[in-house]
This record gives sequence, C-alpha cells and structure tokens, in this order.
Amino acid sequence: AQSVTQLDSHVSVSEGTPVLLRCNYSSSYSPSLFWYVQHPNKGLQLLLKYTSAATLVKGINGFEAEFKKSETSFHLTKPSAHMSDAAEYFCVVSALYNFNKFYFGSGTKLNVKP
Amino acid sequence: EAQVTQNPRYLITVTGKKLTVTCSQNMNHEYMSWYRQDPGLGLRQIYYSMNVEVTDKGDVPEGYKVSRKEKRNFPLILESPSPNQTSLYFCATLPDGNSNQPQHFGDGTRLSIL
Repeated sequence: AQSVTQLDSHVSVSEGTPVLLRCNYSSSYSPSLFWYVQHPNKGLQLLLKYTSAATLVKGINGFEAEFKKSETSFHLTKPSAHMSDAAEYFCVVSALYNFNKFYFGSGTKLNVKP
Repeated sequence: EAQVTQNPRYLITVTGKKLTVTCSQNMNHEYMSWYRQDPGLGLRQIYYSMNVEVTDKGDVPEGYKVSRKEKRNFPLILESPSPNQTSLYFCATLPDGNSNQPQHFGDGTRLSIL
C-alpha cells in the first residue's frame, strides 16, 4: 500500500534562509514521487518529480528534492527562501503497478517572514 | 494554451439541490480525475476516468456521480448535496494512465452547502 506523511503542517522561515519541507512515503513497489505547490485560490502546480532516474531532482524556482530509499524520504529544499514561496506544498506518491492512484500528503504551509 | 477549466469557481447552495461542476480539458488527455481538498487532509480522490465511458471510484465516492461521454469533459454531479460535501474541488488530467506523469490541475471549485 502507498501513503505519504508530511511531517510538518506549518513551516515558518525568514526571507533568504533555507527551506526544508519534509516528506516520508510508504510504497510496496517502486514509487513515483512529486511535489506540488498551491498558491491561494489556485490549482496545484508541479514543482518536481522523481521517477527512478537521478535521486537528486531539480525543479522550478530553485527547489530540489532528494529521494532516499533507505529513509523512505523525499524532502523538499531550497537554499534561500523568497517571499513568493509562501504557499502550501503537497508531497504525492504513486506506484507503477497501480497507475490510477495518487496519494497526497496532508500539506505543509510555508510562511516566509520579511 | 493547455488548460483544465472548471465551472463554477464558487458556489453557495442549499442541501438537496442538485448541482453539477463541469471540467473541460483541451489537451486530448485520456485520464481525468476529481479530488476534494479539506484542511489537514490533503487531496482525496473522488472518481477517475481512464477514457470515454470508463469511470471508477476513488477513495471518497459516496454522494457523487460522474460521467465521461466525451473525452474533453468530466462533470462531477452531486444529486443531493449535503453540508459534509462543503469543500474545495479539483479536476486533474493525465495524458494516459501512466503515473510517472504529473497531473494537470484546474483552478478549483469552492462549494458551500448550507
């Protein structure tokens, strides 16, 4: 079975400091993993995806994530937060054998202080 | 421009009054899906469709119906809405059922059932 746990419901950082949003997954098979961002009153936008290629994945807007199979983690990072990064972030897992299903984490709201 | 269009974007209605939320895509995608988003729960899948005339239940299908009579449209129907269906709803598409691909999301429909 697949599941996703986002370890923090809220994260607050100062502008210019690093961002770390944590995601742990459970999957019986080789997972595909995604991070999406949701700005207020908007749909979800893909930040990056992991699909069994390089374990360090670079996405848009300076975000990246590292797939660590031994830790079943896929944490999202950014070296320097910008005010425009304030949004809600979702980690998503799916499994190759069950291609109809996507499992969403509960979301992490990122607040960026001036 | 590739788009997933939902209508209406906002709706306030009363218990028991049938309503339909439309979803239309211009990307010729085979796979379409409906999610609801509730605080602290992330997105949960309601129904999905692999292609025309092929639909299946997601994780929370109770109280909802869907149809897929043509490829571009996937309406969500609430025959007798109840207050527990007050939520933010998203339509999403994929080129096909391959879960390696990221989903394309509409901007959401906020439903309030009084």
